[in-house]
Amino acid sequence: QSALTQPASVSGSPGQSITISCTGTSSDVGSYNLVSWYQQHPGKAPKLMIYEVSKRPSGVSNRFSGSKSGNTASLTISGLQAEDEADYYCCSYAGSSTFGVFGGGTKLTVL
Amino acid sequence: EVQLVETGGGLIQPGGSLRLSCAASGFTVSSNYMSWVRQAPGKGLEWVSVIYSGGSTYYADSVKGRFTISRDNSKNTLYLQMNSLRAEDTAVYYCARAPGAGHFDYWGQGTLVTVSS
Repeated sequence: QSALTQPASVSGSPGQSITISCTGTSSDVGSYNLVSWYQQHPGKAPKLMIYEVSKRPSGVSNRFSGSKSGNTASLTISGLQAEDEADYYCCSYAGSSTFGVFGGGTKLTVL
Repeated sequence: EVQLVETGGGLIQPGGSLRLSCAASGFTVSSNYMSWVRQAPGKGLEWVSVIYSGGSTYYADSVKGRFTISRDNSKNTLYLQMNSLRAEDTAVYYCARAPGAGHFDYWGQGTLVTVSS
């Protein structure tokens, strides 16, 4: 199972919006509405930000939103803040025997 | 409060074995899907293994036949037995709870496994 494809880096200024894409195949992203997104600050464990394409866990800011079209999922962060600077990973379910396929990660820089 | 605490990492020679433990509190391991996810130094996340609440287990191709996931219901603890370790297995290993297919809501702090001679 190949990793999902994410841009290596994105950047934006405080207050702006950015979108991170996550491209898979018809065997993973395209087949299931089971895409999740994680935020990871240096030296820390990942934090769940979005699950099942567009659902937000309790406590996650509504500035974070998710969507999907075909084989590509997207994470949008609006009203960028300095603390949003982190690595972001997407993950898709790909069947019972391949519980999660991660993207390569995207480094978000807040200028 | 949900908490996951991994232990068992360390320096091990190529070909050696190591067992990681993940002690859970605040929920019941056997009632949830539980996974191991690893992250090589400076690299991205890689799903390693899952154990479903029914007991079925699955592995990434990169570890299949060498790693075994298991749980001890009496201790509410998840394990990862790693055999025939290779340099490319060097990573921080996280245990994570999966409340639903394909996503992980709680993660441990991670334990570093270094495979080197």
